Amino acid sequence: DGGITQSPKYLFRKEGQNVTLSCEQNLNHDAMYWYRQDPGQGLRLIYYSQIVNDFQKGDIAEGYSVSREKKESFPLTVTSAQKNPTAFYLCASWDRGMVEGYTFGSGTRLTVV
Amino acid sequence: QKEVEQNSGPLSVPEGAIASLNCTYSDRGSQSFFWYRQYSGKSPELIMFIYSNGDKEDGRFTAQLNKASQYVSLLIRDSQPSDSATYLCAVLDSGGYQKVTFGTGTKLQVIP
Repeated sequence: DGGITQSPKYLFRKEGQNVTLSCEQNLNHDAMYWYRQDPGQGLRLIYYSQIVNDFQKGDIAEGYSVSREKKESFPLTVTSAQKNPTAFYLCASWDRGMVEGYTFGSGTRLTVV
Repeated sequence: QKEVEQNSGPLSVPEGAIASLNCTYSDRGSQSFFWYRQYSGKSPELIMFIYSNGDKEDGRFTAQLNKASQYVSLLIRDSQPSDSATYLCAVLDSGGYQKVTFGTGTKLQVIP
C-alpha cells in the first residue's frame, strides 16, 4: 500500500544536539511538507518542497534544515539553534493532480531531555 | 501572514445532536478548503474538502462555503462519541505553491 512513513515515532534530544527526522513516501507525489504542532495548536509550516533539489522556507524555518535529494525522501534536521523543539512533527505530501489535499504521515514526537 | 480562525472550544454536544464548527479565513483568493479530524496523539485525517460556494454533503458530514464572507463551516449530524476529536479547518493558499494554512482547531466533545 502507498503511503508516508515517518520515523522514529518518538525521539529524545539532548540540549545542543542535532537530530534528523525521516520522511519517506511511495506515492510518487511531487510536493512534500513539514509541519510542527504544539499542544492545543494548529499546524505550522516549517519547510516545503515542490520538486527534487528545491525547497522553500515556511513560516517557522529558523533552527531547521531540510534536503530533497530524492523524490521519495524529505528529511528534516532539528538543529541546536532551535530553542524550543519539543513538539509533534508531521510530514505530508501532495500530488498536483489531486484535489483532496495532503496525505499525512503518522508523525514524530520530539522531546528535549 | 494568511490566517485561519477557529473557536478552540471545547464544543460539547449530546449524542445524536448536530455539531456545528465554524472557520473564517483571511486569504480572499483561496479556492480550496479542507476539514481534518485529529484524534489525540494522531495525525490529521481528511474528512471533507470543498471549493464551490454552497453545501457539500458526505454521509453525516456537510461542509458549507461562503467565499464572499470568507467563511467555512462543518456540520456533523447524529453526533457520536467517536466523533469526539479536534477538527482542523485548512485553506489552500492562493500563492500557487500548493501550501495549506491550518486553523488552531476546535475540540468537539460528544456526550453519551
